Amino acid sequence: EVQLLESGGGLVQPGGSLRLSCAASGFTFSTYTMSWVRQAPGKGLEWVSSLSGSGANTYYADSVKGRFTISRDNSKNTVYLQMNSLRAEDTAVYYCAKGVRGWNLRGDYFDYWGQGTLVTVSS
Amino acid sequence: QSALTQPASVSGSPGQSIIISCTGTSGDIDNYNYVSWYQQHPGKAPKLMIYEVTNRPSGVTNRFSGSKSGNTASLTISGLQAEDEADYYCSSYTRSSAQVFGTGTKVTVL
Repeated sequence: EVQLLESGGGLVQPGGSLRLSCAASGFTFSTYTMSWVRQAPGKGLEWVSSLSGSGANTYYADSVKGRFTISRDNSKNTVYLQMNSLRAEDTAVYYCAKGVRGWNLRGDYFDYWGQGTLVTVSS
Repeated sequence: QSALTQPASVSGSPGQSIIISCTGTSGDIDNYNYVSWYQQHPGKAPKLMIYEVTNRPSGVTNRFSGSKSGNTASLTISGLQAEDEADYYCSSYTRSSAQVFGTGTKVTVL
């Protein structure tokens, strides 16, 4: 059974940093792309970032480019999202999602999702 | 990376069919058969319902079907049931090697 468990959310001040983790199990982790998708309170889904199975290829939404960094440790079956220079508009539930491709994002979609972790950016 | 456009709400009576549209551009839906649809109940994680425009994952009822014409994709729910009441989001691969979601549609079963 595929399981994705996010952690690391919490309250942070504007301009601060936070690192999210997503521990995966139930599939061959290094074979698939992994992504982060967020949802602001009462709003829709927004794709944030993805990376390939090897970690060699990374992709970012314009809204987070230069501030967020996605990475993975295939020996620990874990994907991370390092978030710097946080803004109020980054407040959201952050979901970890498993993709179905391995090398790049073309044609990817999300077949399994975690339950999400809440990030609140506020002073 | 502008969001794909969906109607804010769609409603129908039990047993009826409804269609949710998802309009994009030549940079996404129009040029790729990589449209997926997700169902999200309140307080829950999204669930994949359709991938690659028309395909259903194992375990998803055949009351859900997808299609595409030009820059508009559609999700049809047939034989509407109370459990179908949820938010629905489309998504597409884009020319800039990104993913984009739709604005979301709230489905209400009357």
